[in-house]
Amino acid sequence: GDSVTQMEGPVTLSEEAFLTINCTYTATGYPSLFWYVQYPGEGLQLLLKATKADDKGSNKGFEATYRKETTSFHLEKGSVQVSDSAVYFCALSDSGNTGKLIFGQGTTLQVKP
Amino acid sequence: SAVISQKPSRDICQRGTSLTIQCQVDSQVTMMFWYRQQPGQSLTLIATANQGSEATYESGFVIDKFPISRPNLTFSTLTVSNMSPEDSSIYLCSVGQGIRTDTQYFGPGTRLTVL
Repeated sequence: GDSVTQMEGPVTLSEEAFLTINCTYTATGYPSLFWYVQYPGEGLQLLLKATKADDKGSNKGFEATYRKETTSFHLEKGSVQVSDSAVYFCALSDSGNTGKLIFGQGTTLQVKP
Repeated sequence: SAVISQKPSRDICQRGTSLTIQCQVDSQVTMMFWYRQQPGQSLTLIATANQGSEATYESGFVIDKFPISRPNLTFSTLTVSNMSPEDSSIYLCSVGQGIRTDTQYFGPGTRLTVL
């Protein structure tokens, strides 16, 4: 079945450092891909999405490009801030067209001043 | 995006009791889902709440343990029945207007602790 694999955390960076969180997926069809963020004590918020190959999703300085050839959707940000400290989840819409999301295990990011 | 509220936001319950969690959306939505997030873990889909019919459960989840209602297009409830400490989790509802290309929006979650 469909699945998502994220790099293990926690990831600890200094403020203004470059961020990459790797995400790869396995799917039988052509899913949409998402990054969600969960700040401490809060629910999930959509960060960005891409619906087809070569699409780039972007929001709040974060970017991710849908790479069909490498089945990847890596999250990047050029300069992280302390306020970016959160758990980041990569997800895909399942190939069965049921509307369900399949999530990766989540990556904790801690940014130190 | 849809505004989603959940009640209660958190609760501490005794083993063997049941808790009903409510999810309210500020607009009509096609799809509603219930997820579980165990401590330090990712999200696992419990079921899809279908309006006017029985929910569709994922493998490992059964109606007797997690009965779900969805009486209309803006409201759903999830009951966690006969609770044990293993049920301690965050329970989240999410909504979407379609499939595949559409975005799901999540409620703030209900943090449940079972003693």
